[in-house]
Amino acid sequence: EAGVAQSPRYKIIEKRQSVAFWCNPISGHATLYWYQQILGQGPKLLIQFQNNGVVDDSQLPKDRFSAERLKGVDSTLKIQPAKLEDSAVYLCATRTGVGTDTQYFGPGTRLTVL
Amino acid sequence: QKEVEQNSGPLSVPEGAIASLNCTYSDRGSQSFFWYRQYSGKSPELIMSIYSNGDKEDGRFTAQLNKASQYVSLLIRDSQPSDSATYLCAVKGGGGSYIPTFGRGTSLIVHP
Repeated sequence: EAGVAQSPRYKIIEKRQSVAFWCNPISGHATLYWYQQILGQGPKLLIQFQNNGVVDDSQLPKDRFSAERLKGVDSTLKIQPAKLEDSAVYLCATRTGVGTDTQYFGPGTRLTVL
Repeated sequence: QKEVEQNSGPLSVPEGAIASLNCTYSDRGSQSFFWYRQYSGKSPELIMSIYSNGDKEDGRFTAQLNKASQYVSLLIRDSQPSDSATYLCAVKGGGGSYIPTFGRGTSLIVHP
């Protein structure tokens, strides 16, 4: 079974530029999460999807961050415009959504904002 | 604000020893508790979950939960250099949605 795929793996941008990350979940996993992990900290949940609906986006900085999961499969996370403090690893994780708490994490995208 | 506290370490133990990692949480309504291992530059990997008070063993790993004292711990027996990683504690509150709060992690170094 293929794991959670993310791209790109690395991205370097200037502040005020835009950037987008992509996540492809494990087949059949209805629940998808985007986390931000700043160096030396634990992952912080940005948004949770159940199929194509948003369950929780209370910690998503909506003035600059947006995310979508249009067909309930792939998801994109966008930052526009980026700030220096957005430098972090962005992790996508998925879960079957039925009877289990186990999340499977993708490899992450390391973003550096200069 | 739900908080999960961990000592950032590093915790250094010799090979073969028992490593003890601790985590405290602020939300008394928390229902589910998880330990993740994260190697440097890699993504977190679930190694243990625990839901009720007491101990849960899986191979060399034992998770311990005490809801009255609001702490959860992870013991690693016969520590190996390959166990060197950051261990993240995650806590989920009650209710239907799965919104985990992660601690900052404890760095474990197992030296030969």
